[in-house]
Amino acid sequence: GENVEQHPSTLSVQEGDSAVIKCTYSDSASNYFPWYKQELGKGPQLIIDIRSNVGEKKDQRIAVTLNKTAKHFSLHITETQPEDSAVYFCAASNPNTGNQFYFGTGTSLTVIP
Amino acid sequence: GAVVSQHPSWVICKSGTSVKIECRSLDFQATTMFWYRQFPKQSLMLMATSNEGSKATYEQGVEKDKFLINHASLTLSTLTVTSAHPEDSSFYICSARAGNSQYGYTFGSGTRLTVV
Repeated sequence: GENVEQHPSTLSVQEGDSAVIKCTYSDSASNYFPWYKQELGKGPQLIIDIRSNVGEKKDQRIAVTLNKTAKHFSLHITETQPEDSAVYFCAASNPNTGNQFYFGTGTSLTVIP
Repeated sequence: GAVVSQHPSWVICKSGTSVKIECRSLDFQATTMFWYRQFPKQSLMLMATSNEGSKATYEQGVEKDKFLINHASLTLSTLTVTSAHPEDSSFYICSARAGNSQYGYTFGSGTRLTVV
């Protein structure tokens, strides 16, 4: 089955700096890779996603890159703000396994004012 | 956008009692709902997948008699934790999607269950 690994588990950056979170996946059939932001005591919120036919996607300060050959994808947050502090999860899914999501282990991001 | 309403947001119950958690899709018909459990500082673990009008499919290691899932309508799925024990204390989250699309999952806000 699919195995998603996520690094780092914790990340602290100064406000205004960039943050990068990386994930790898094992199943080459996976073709959809969403990123979720989870604040304490709340459910995950989709912040950006990418499909396997695209190498990069950007939405304001957030971008995601995908390397299908290496089977890894990354989340990039630029000009970080304190409100970006949260736990971020990557996920992978493929239609061969009922489209269920396989989540990474999460990255706790702290943006220091 | 699509909204999934989950209630209650938190609940405390005594050991041996049952607790029901509801998940409603407010502005779309959710043909499939997923139930996850999340322990502190850990990732989301899929418990079961429920399709409207049929029995839920449980992940390996999840007791179907303990975690009862009902998906009787296209807008409502419930998870009942029966005979709850302290080790069942966790954060339970549902997610839903419309149709068979691989995309467009929406998560509920989660339910913090504490069994005392």
